[in-house]
Amino acid sequence: GAVVSQHPSWVICKSGTSVKIECRSLDFQATTMFWYRQFPKQSLMLMATSNEGSKATYEQGVEKDKFLINHASLTLSTLTVTSAHPEDSSFYICSARTDPTGGYSPLHFGNGTRLTVT
Amino acid sequence: DAKTTQPNSMESNEEEPVHLPCNHSTISGTDYIHWYRQLPSQGPEYVIHGLTSNVNNRMASLAIAEDRKSSTLILHRATLRDAAVYYCILSGSGGSNYKLTFGKGTLLTVNP
Repeated sequence: GAVVSQHPSWVICKSGTSVKIECRSLDFQATTMFWYRQFPKQSLMLMATSNEGSKATYEQGVEKDKFLINHASLTLSTLTVTSAHPEDSSFYICSARTDPTGGYSPLHFGNGTRLTVT
Repeated sequence: DAKTTQPNSMESNEEEPVHLPCNHSTISGTDYIHWYRQLPSQGPEYVIHGLTSNVNNRMASLAIAEDRKSSTLILHRATLRDAAVYYCILSGSGGSNYKLTFGKGTLLTVNP
């Protein structure tokens, strides 16, 4: 089955530093990837849609200059949290959809990255 | 996206069937019904999806009401590994930019 790999699985950084999270589709190509954030005991919140070779589309209220997304290839999207602060501490999850030959294909999710900003 | 309503939590016993309900009275004619689940500290996992007809796969069954305003995810024999938050989501099917908006879901507890 389709596998989405995220790295790192957890990271601790100091306030003011930047952190990069990688999301890879291991056995399929993904022109579109989605980035979600999840705070403790809450549901997933879609942050942005990452499109290969073009700019990401951010959801309302998500700062594009703070959460930099790069989708340079069909198998890799990166999310960089710039100048991280403690309130950015969260569980970040990426997902991708196998490009269907026709009809439906489900989203495949990575196992998430737990970010803690001290 | 059309909204869905699910119970906050449900409880089941191991090896018994579980019926997880979802109401989606404002569903549009082109909306698919998706079910995903999330185990603790993991990303969500696809379970099943449907449009109008009932669906079966190796994980579960999806029963869709005739008017499509509700659906039920059926786990035929719950195991401890099925303890998770289950999300019922509506979305279109196609287009490279289709996206899923997650609600609060149903926390399923499975008792041994």
